[in-house]
Amino acid sequence: DGGITQSPKYLFRKEGQNVTLSCEQNLNHDAMYWYRQDPGQGLRLIYYSQIVNDFQKGDIAEGYSVSREKKESFPLTVTSAQKNPTAFYLCASSVIGTGAETQYFGPGTRLLVL
Amino acid sequence: AQSVTQLDSHVSVSEGTPVLLRCNYSSSYSPSLFWYVQHPNKGLQLLLKYTSAATLVKGINGFEAEFKKSETSFHLTKPSAHMSDAAEYFCVVSDSGGFKTIFGAGTRLFVKA
Repeated sequence: DGGITQSPKYLFRKEGQNVTLSCEQNLNHDAMYWYRQDPGQGLRLIYYSQIVNDFQKGDIAEGYSVSREKKESFPLTVTSAQKNPTAFYLCASSVIGTGAETQYFGPGTRLLVL
Repeated sequence: AQSVTQLDSHVSVSEGTPVLLRCNYSSSYSPSLFWYVQHPNKGLQLLLKYTSAATLVKGINGFEAEFKKSETSFHLTKPSAHMSDAAEYFCVVSDSGGFKTIFGAGTRLFVKA
């Protein structure tokens, strides 16, 4: 089955700890995205990547880091600098084109602070 | 600059009655517009998208939306609600290149038996 997988489904972070969220896709998409979702708000873009070894900051990149060493993988690290990390994190991918491309979403990871 | 406004945070309908979820947008260019649905603790799934072809767009599960440039609206409708339609719905606007994508705040649809 083609699609996007995210792991883990739930993740707990202690104060001062960095945690990494996994995102893998087998859709052969060039573009991948990370979004943060808070209750009552739409999705906000954290980072996106159009090609391996390249990525761009989105609207709320502070306190987060990413890497894109392989086309199918785009892990997100939530660093200790992110003071309010509790949220639902969604990864997506798409082809690159004219802007009408559908984004395909993973099932999400819920991050909670202990 | 782009923006998208979903006019209702919550909509409640009875099963078998029509659904209307309202979305207004602003964009400096010819936008692409999307509706996505999210069931609890799940990712988003595309319902339909407008890409400057026909202004009435049909999507999955009986949903459709009409692009009205004069009103800068892209409202989502369904003639008859089903219990399984209960979810959160997001209106999305995207400019060329796809990386200027703005999500609305979402409308939660409740369906009563």
